[in-house]
Amino acid sequence: AQTVTQSQPEMSVQEAETVTLSCTYDTSESDYYLFWYKQPPSRQMILVIRQEAYKQQNATENRFSVNFQKAAKSFSLKISDSQLGDAAMYFCAYREDRGSTLGRLYFGRGTQLTVWP
Amino acid sequence: GAVVSQHPSWVICKSGTSVKIECRSLDFQATTMFWYRQFPKQSLMLMATSNEGSKATYEQGVEKDKFLINHASLTLSTLTVTSAHPEDSSFYICSASLVGAKNIQYFGAGTRLSVL
Repeated sequence: AQTVTQSQPEMSVQEAETVTLSCTYDTSESDYYLFWYKQPPSRQMILVIRQEAYKQQNATENRFSVNFQKAAKSFSLKISDSQLGDAAMYFCAYREDRGSTLGRLYFGRGTQLTVWP
Repeated sequence: GAVVSQHPSWVICKSGTSVKIECRSLDFQATTMFWYRQFPKQSLMLMATSNEGSKATYEQGVEKDKFLINHASLTLSTLTVTSAHPEDSSFYICSASLVGAKNIQYFGAGTRLSVL
């Protein structure tokens, strides 16, 4: 089974600063998707950003960007200009690209991000 | 983005009773829905994959007779926790996917189950 590893159980950042959350994964597949989900205290899972493995260009969504290193199987999330509302549990997730059949998500254990004012 | 509605958000029940949780895709048809369980401060654990019109596929270690899943339509999947016990108390989350919609899973807001 695929594994997703988040080595940082907790991280903290000062408001307006930048923080990077780490994620590595293990797979023998060449085509897959990677995701970062955010789970605030409400516990609603919110998609932050997604990356297709076949794309070399790193995905960017406003203040959120990723550093996707396919050979190293690394997928880190950078949050710029951190805001208090960014405080949440962040989950890295992997899914195979199975064409018309949807594969399951494999989640990391999560990183709890605290944002200090 | 697409909306997935999960109901109820919180349920308290007595030990031995059954509880049904609904997961609806409000503005799209979901060919596949997933059911997860999450313990406090832990990751999401996939319980089962639900495909419309067919039997659910359960993950290893998940009792299919305990956690009944029905996906009778393209917009509704239900999870029934039968003969609930205190150890079934947890946070249950569903997600729904539509092939082609960037292959993204959209999550419900979750259901907190407390079994007394």
